[in-house]
Amino acid sequence: ETGVTQTPRHLVMGMTNKKSLKCEQHLGHNAMYWYKQSAKKPLELMFVYNFKEQTENNSVPSRFSPECPNSSHLFLHLHTLQPEDSALYLCASSQDVAGAPDTQYFGPGTRLTVL
Amino acid sequence: KQEVTQIPAALSVPEGENLVLNCSFTDSAIYNLQWFRQDPGKGLTSLLLIQSSQREQTSGRLNASLDKSSGRSTLYIAASQPGDSATYLCAVRHPRSNDYKLSFGAGTTVTVRA
Repeated sequence: ETGVTQTPRHLVMGMTNKKSLKCEQHLGHNAMYWYKQSAKKPLELMFVYNFKEQTENNSVPSRFSPECPNSSHLFLHLHTLQPEDSALYLCASSQDVAGAPDTQYFGPGTRLTVL
Repeated sequence: KQEVTQIPAALSVPEGENLVLNCSFTDSAIYNLQWFRQDPGKGLTSLLLIQSSQREQTSGRLNASLDKSSGRSTLYIAASQPGDSATYLCAVRHPRSNDYKLSFGAGTTVTVRA
């Protein structure tokens, strides 16, 4: 496996369910990110982890709970979501949060539908 | 707060025509600007990254220009092909070197007709 992988690719859940999204990067990076992409809207940064420590929580509702057990894995735990949370959730990684030139490498995303 | 706008939201051209995609940003104090490509249901792929001190970057048929003072960037794609059909996103990085945050535009969806 190369790059950034995300599972599952598609997820349909009810508002009372609990599910988790998984992201894994094989690039040796130290920073990982969760983004939300809603239709026709710009990507919204949700969380940032640098060396396993959360450095950013962009006013995300508590029904989204991130977890970063090591620099290669990032999870997003979901519970009691709302229909408006339906979106494409993208994971990205970069060497670290500073330094230039640097780019973020993105996974394919998880398409989430909340019924 | 940095706001990034991309116009048009969608563009359809016949194969062979040159593409011109526009990106504007409200705060000219940026660290760099990046163009990404996103295929349907897929993640983002970086195409070009322009540092704030640069005026343009080129890669193959792609050329991106940056006019920081006017808050604009343009992505040119020469001799478009059906494989260029995708959504193109621009993103600006905030000025501090230790600030990783990117502000994205909503994208321009391009369709190249064979």
